[in-house]
Amino acid sequence: EAQVTQNPRYLITVTGKKLTVTCSQNMNHEYMSWYRQDPGLGLRQIYYSMNVEVTDKGDVPEGYKVSRKEKRNFPLILESPSPNQTSLYFCASSPQRGPYNEQFFGPGTRLTVL
Amino acid sequence: GQNIDQPTEMTATEGAIVQINCTYQTSGFNGLFWYQQHAGEAPTFLSYNVLDGLEEKGRFSSFLSRSKGYSYLLLKELQMKDSASYLCAVREIGGGATNKLIFGTGTLLAVQP
Repeated sequence: EAQVTQNPRYLITVTGKKLTVTCSQNMNHEYMSWYRQDPGLGLRQIYYSMNVEVTDKGDVPEGYKVSRKEKRNFPLILESPSPNQTSLYFCASSPQRGPYNEQFFGPGTRLTVL
Repeated sequence: GQNIDQPTEMTATEGAIVQINCTYQTSGFNGLFWYQQHAGEAPTFLSYNVLDGLEEKGRFSSFLSRSKGYSYLLLKELQMKDSASYLCAVREIGGGATNKLIFGTGTLLAVQP
């Protein structure tokens, strides 16, 4: 089944404890992206990657890191999480060519930083 | 700058028709998407417009006017399962990012019996 997977789905952690949220897609998509979703603010892009070893900042990159060593994986790293990073996170992927190039979203990771 | 506006909430009756509007301002337009998002779930793709006019897909239709920076999503024969948030998203060109999406804050639609 074509899908984007994220792990963990739920995470409660404490300030300053490094964490990684994994994202994997099995559709051979070139483009991958991380979003956070907060009430009243909608989906905001954190980082994106147009292909392996190519990453760039989105609109809200502060406090986050990413890597793209393989085409299928795009982990999101929080080196020192803070309470303002409590949010619902979505990973998405899309092909670079196609009629729509719509983004396919993972199931989301709900992160709480205490 | 970038700006996407859509109503925060709407209510409609089962079996009726509802139109959700979206206006946008963007520096480099390359298509407009509508996504559906049920509470606590991932957004799922509904429709895409890049040229002016109406695109129809079953009970859902989407319209675009590029000159007016305006789109709407039309939902017909509403069902209770259509209760969800509807996200308008504009794809921008330029800056090396060929698939950057700017999302509106979403319209929460409540379908009542």
